[in-house]
Amino acid sequence: DGGITQSPKYLFRKEGQNVTMSCEQNLNHDAMYWYRQDPGQGLRLIYYSQIVNDFQKGDIAEGYSVSREKKESFPLTVTSAQKNPTAFYLCASSIFGDTEAFFGQGTRLTVV
Amino acid sequence: KQEVTQIPAALSVPEGENLVLNCSFTDSAIYNLQWFRQDPGKGLTSLLLIQSSQREQTSGRLNASLDKSSGRSTLYIAASQPGDSATYLCHLVVSPSGTYKYIFGTGTRLKVLA
Repeated sequence: DGGITQSPKYLFRKEGQNVTMSCEQNLNHDAMYWYRQDPGQGLRLIYYSQIVNDFQKGDIAEGYSVSREKKESFPLTVTSAQKNPTAFYLCASSIFGDTEAFFGQGTRLTVV
Repeated sequence: KQEVTQIPAALSVPEGENLVLNCSFTDSAIYNLQWFRQDPGKGLTSLLLIQSSQREQTSGRLNASLDKSSGRSTLYIAASQPGDSATYLCHLVVSPSGTYKYIFGTGTRLKVLA
């Protein structure tokens, strides 16, 4: 089945720790995205990538890092610099930057 | 700065009603507008995509229209069902200065009562 897979579904982070969540797609899409969703604040763009080995900051990139070494993979690392990381994280992909986007099922990150 | 507002923020209706959800935006220079639904704790499901050159799209009981001149898109849901209960989000792709910007609306939380 073609689609976008995010893992893990739940992720826990201790203070000062970096954590990484995975996003894999088998749709052969060039563009991939990471969004953060907070209750009452809607979805905000963290990073996006239009092509392999290239990515751009979104509206709230501070405290996050990404890599795009393979077309099908776009992992997101939440660093210790992100002081309020508890949120629902959604990954998306599209054929190109201005075409229909498809989303994964999300990763819920909690600070313990 | 592009702002995307959805009205109403929440809506509760009896089953069978026809519904109109609104998405308003401030900049008409958009590439496309996409409507999604989100069930609690889940990812987003794509409903309809309207390209900048199109006026509307239809899928089953759903119809979405786009009026760039007035900065507005509407999602029409015919004969609503309890299974339509979800949050509905509009999403814009714009390019104000040569690079893409991706903006979600504030969302409409819909509850259809049986």
